[in-house]
Amino acid sequence: DQQVKQNSPSLSVQEGRISILNCDYTNSMFDYFLWYKKYPAEGPTFLISISSIKDKNEDGRFTVFLNKSAKHLSLHIVPSQPGDSAVYFCAARPNNAGNMLTFGGGTRLMVKP
Amino acid sequence: DAGITQSPRYKITETGRQVTLMCHQTWSHSYMFWYRQDLGHGLRLIYYSAAADITDKGEVPDGYVVSRSKTENFPLTLESATRSQTSVYFCASSPSIYEQYFGPGTRLTVT
Repeated sequence: DQQVKQNSPSLSVQEGRISILNCDYTNSMFDYFLWYKKYPAEGPTFLISISSIKDKNEDGRFTVFLNKSAKHLSLHIVPSQPGDSAVYFCAARPNNAGNMLTFGGGTRLMVKP
Repeated sequence: DAGITQSPRYKITETGRQVTLMCHQTWSHSYMFWYRQDLGHGLRLIYYSAAADITDKGEVPDGYVVSRSKTENFPLTLESATRSQTSVYFCASSPSIYEQYFGPGTRLTVT
């Protein structure tokens, strides 16, 4: 049973518009959430994170929102650029399992010029 | 070069053979991890290590063995490879309980 789910396997957005990637989780013990970006033939790279004590975290064009009551987080990219085309993984860490992360299945974002 | 490296990058092996995937990091990070990436499953944790000589099972450990005699190395061994172990394997390291830094991956095909 997947504890972290990304229900959209792919998303296509026009350059300059907003990209919204979504992630749902079921484990109420998760207290730290991360987004990773992955290009083909490369390892995932850390993008942005959020602690459960916050509901929003921004870093330049990237903003992560956390809705704890809905067990939902989202990554907003504004404005989207063709270089943002990649697979995005959300990940979550429970407060009782040290550094173990549980990943979602990923969403492939395609930003069209 | 500084960072985290994996070798080989590509490997083809036969069912039943033993194969070892290497992972080396130059940051002296305490934590190291092995994941496999399969379509539809994202990344699943195989094994992790909190320090040298300390390892523990992740979500999908069956058929794999790890060791960590030195902080910088964390090899993953498939004792008797099966076709279901065909996957892309990622090693990661972390200095803390927060973000992890991933290597470039090893694409393993078991025929």
